[in-house]
Amino acid sequence: QKEVEQDPGPLSVPEGAIVSLNCTYSNSAFQYFMWYRQYSRKGPELLMYTYSSGNKEDGRFTAQVDKSSKYISLFIRDSQPSDSATYLCAMRETSGSRLTFGEGTQLTVNP
Amino acid sequence: EPEVTQTPSHQVTQMGQEVILRCVPISNHLYFYWYRQILGQKVEFLVSFYNNEISEKSEIFDDQFSVERPDGSNFTLKIRSTKLEDSAMYFCASLSRGANTGELFFGEGSRLTVL
Repeated sequence: QKEVEQDPGPLSVPEGAIVSLNCTYSNSAFQYFMWYRQYSRKGPELLMYTYSSGNKEDGRFTAQVDKSSKYISLFIRDSQPSDSATYLCAMRETSGSRLTFGEGTQLTVNP
Repeated sequence: EPEVTQTPSHQVTQMGQEVILRCVPISNHLYFYWYRQILGQKVEFLVSFYNNEISEKSEIFDDQFSVERPDGSNFTLKIRSTKLEDSAMYFCASLSRGANTGELFFGEGSRLTVL
């Protein structure tokens, strides 16, 4: 079983749609959870960082963590064509700072 | 805005050759990392570096790889004898003193093609 599983997509939505991106994980030692956005041939860019179960909102983005189900989500409201990118979930244990990434979900928002 | 810079952006090399990838992390950051991403695959951790020594490394980071911080600004990844399967995008990243945040800043990457 992979440590982190993420549906690679691709996911295509119309502008203005609500997007839901998800990851599951198997390692219960993961305590810190991140979402990165990666444009083609660029480095990952941090979008959201959470460490507790529940929701965290930042503008159009909401990160949700459910540690009991080992499931994290990123919601994008009012999606824009500029949101078109690959979204990577990442997580790490309390000790150490290495990140374990999901496969990434490729999102296209059509005008 | 401060950023992590990497050179070269793209390098083509012959199998068996040595390659050095260079990174300039954000100036007040203390933790440095190399990750790689083979085309179409996930981003994978290679190594972390703190206080002038390796703090953690993955199974991928074998004896063919080494890292160095030769001066106060550069952080390098050396691949001693490249193999075809080393072809990938290599990302340098750095983290500020508060390691309990997730704010790892990545560079734009160095694409390595091994022929």
